[in-house]
Amino acid sequence: SQTIHQWPATLVQPVGSPLSLECTVEGTSNPNLYWYRQAAGRGLQLLFYSVGIGQISSEVPQNLSASRPQDRQFILSSKKLLLSDSGFYLCAWVGTLSYNEQFFGPGTRLTVL
Amino acid sequence: GQSLEQPSEVTAVEGAIVQINCTYQTSGFYGLSWYQQHDGGAPTFLSYNALDGLEETGRFSSFLSRSDSYGYLLLQELQMKDSASYFCAVKGGSQGNLIFGKGTKLSVKP
Repeated sequence: SQTIHQWPATLVQPVGSPLSLECTVEGTSNPNLYWYRQAAGRGLQLLFYSVGIGQISSEVPQNLSASRPQDRQFILSSKKLLLSDSGFYLCAWVGTLSYNEQFFGPGTRLTVL
Repeated sequence: GQSLEQPSEVTAVEGAIVQINCTYQTSGFYGLSWYQQHDGGAPTFLSYNALDGLEETGRFSSFLSRSDSYGYLLLQELQMKDSASYFCAVKGGSQGNLIFGKGTKLSVKP
C-alpha cells in the first residue's frame, strides 16, 4: 500500500535561518507531488507541484523553493525564513490510477520566531 | 481569478443532517472535491464530483451543479467524530490542480 512520510513533525526556527522539509512516498511510482501551506484556521495554499524528477512548478512566488531529486522525494527549502513562513506544511501525492484523489502526509508544523 | 466560497462555521446536534455549501469561480473546471480535516491532522479525501448530480458514500453525499457553479456536502446521522473542518476544492485551471476553499468548521453537539 502507498504511504507518505514527512519530517520533521514540528519545527521551531528563528527568523533568517534556513529550512529543509522532506517528503517521501512509498508504494507508488511517478506520482505527482505537491507542497501546500496552511495558515492557522485557513485553507490550503498550493506552493509547488512536480510531475517528475527535476520538474518543479511554482504557484506562488515567495521565499521558498522546492526540489525533486528522486521520483518519490520532494523537498521544500528556504535560505532565510520569514515570520510569515510559519504554518502547517503539507505534502500530497496523486497517483496515476486516481488523479481525482490527493493523499496528504501528516504535515510539518513550522513556527518561525 | 479563482475563488471558492463556503460558510466558515456550522453547528449541529448528534443525529441531525447538515449541508455545507460551496460556490466556485474558476477558469477551467474538471470537478469538485471534498476533504475532511480534524484539528491538527492532515486532510483526507471524502468525495469527488465531475458530473452533475448526487454521489452517495455511506452517511456522506456530495452534489454538483456545473451550470450553477455550486456544490454541497451532506452529512447525515451526525456523530461527534464528524466534528472537523470540511474543505471544498475545485480541480481546475490550466494544470488541473486543486484550489481549496477556506474550509467550514463543523461542530457537532450532544
